[in-house]
Parts: sequence; structure tokens; C-alpha cells
Amino acid sequence: ILNVEQSPQSLHVQEGDSTNFTCSFPSSNFYALHWYRWETAKSPEALFVMTLNGDEKKKGRISATLNTKEGYSYLYIKGSQPEDSATYLCANDYKLSFGAGTTVTVRA
Amino acid sequence: EPEVTQTPSHQVTQMGQEVILRCVPISNHLYFYWYRQILGQKVEFLVSFYNNEISEKSEIFDDQFSVERPDGSNFTLKIRSTKLEDSAMYFCASSDSGGALDTQYFGPGTRLTVL
Repeated sequence: ILNVEQSPQSLHVQEGDSTNFTCSFPSSNFYALHWYRWETAKSPEALFVMTLNGDEKKKGRISATLNTKEGYSYLYIKGSQPEDSATYLCANDYKLSFGAGTTVTVRA
Repeated sequence: EPEVTQTPSHQVTQMGQEVILRCVPISNHLYFYWYRQILGQKVEFLVSFYNNEISEKSEIFDDQFSVERPDGSNFTLKIRSTKLEDSAMYFCASSDSGGALDTQYFGPGTRLTVL
């Protein structure tokens, strides 16, 4: 099992502000990195699968970058909205070794 | 849009009892998984299943656990004799192919409470 860490554990953002947070993972034996968005009482929703160093993915106001050499990925939320409030999970490996998540709360 | 479903949403059981958690994966998916999240901890991989057999399992998945695909649609996780420490949220997931690049689609989870 590969250790995946996420920081910060939680953050509060004012509506309209942009934010970002980190997922770090061992850079050796890297397969792919997955980002999920998880709202309470709902299924975790797949956001991105990232594989190549320098990869950048975008979905609406959410984007992610990947650095496999140094073992980190950033997730960015531009112009945060209340509906962005959720826990964002990253996971490595096909067996999905998850980080603990970053819980984002967007204040109106 | 196709989705993974799980039943029940919440199961309460007495220690030592058997429980079966049920999942209906996305219909054309071939790979199936169970994960769990103990309150306050990370989501942990339990087992993956393909072609009617276990392809990988974690050290958590001991002899008390078993999985089965009893028919063409259901995928079940059985815990033979539940312990207090089995209390967790159990997630089923499915994917089209089993590679690291393939997206796994998750169900909403079953919250298991062992008393």
C-alpha cells in the first residue's frame, strides 16, 4: 500500500474566492492519481484520473495538476461556490489507496 | 446516468451475527471492489473481484469476509461473525476495466453498526 497524504484537513473559503489544496504520494511505483469529490450522504464522484508528469486536467471551475517526480498533485477551485462544499479525496494505485481528504466549506 | 447502488443504507447488528451487504454495480462493468471507512479514518481497500473470483485482497480481508456475485447483477460482501471493530461505512465500486487508469464508480455506502 502506498501512503497518500492530503493537506490541509479542512479549509473554509469565502464564496467567490479561489483555493487549492495538496495531495502527496510516494513518487516511486506511481501508477495513476485519482481525485474524487464526496458530498455527505452521496457517492464519491470521480473528478480526474491523472497519469503523466505535468498533466493538467480541468472540469468547469475545478482543475488539477500532477508532479510525479516530486510526488504531489494540487486541486484548484476557482471562484468557489457553496455547491463546491465537499470532501475532496485523492487516491493512488489501482487498489485506490486514499488520502484522508480535504473538507472544503464555502461560506456564502 | 448509470450508478452503483447499495442496500441497506444502514445496518445495525449484534456482535457475532452474520451480515450481508449488497451492491448492484453498473451493468456493463466487469471489475468490482469493496472498500470501508472506519469513522475518522481513511477509506481502505478490502477486495477486488473479477471473473467470479477475488483478484486482490488486503490484510483486512480475513477469513471472516467473503464476496460473491450470486447472479448477473448483485455483488455481496458477507461478514461471518461481526466484531465491534467492523463498524464502518462500506463502499462498493465497479469499473469497466481493472487498470490503474480506469475510473472506479462508487455506491453511496452502507453504514454498518455492530453493537
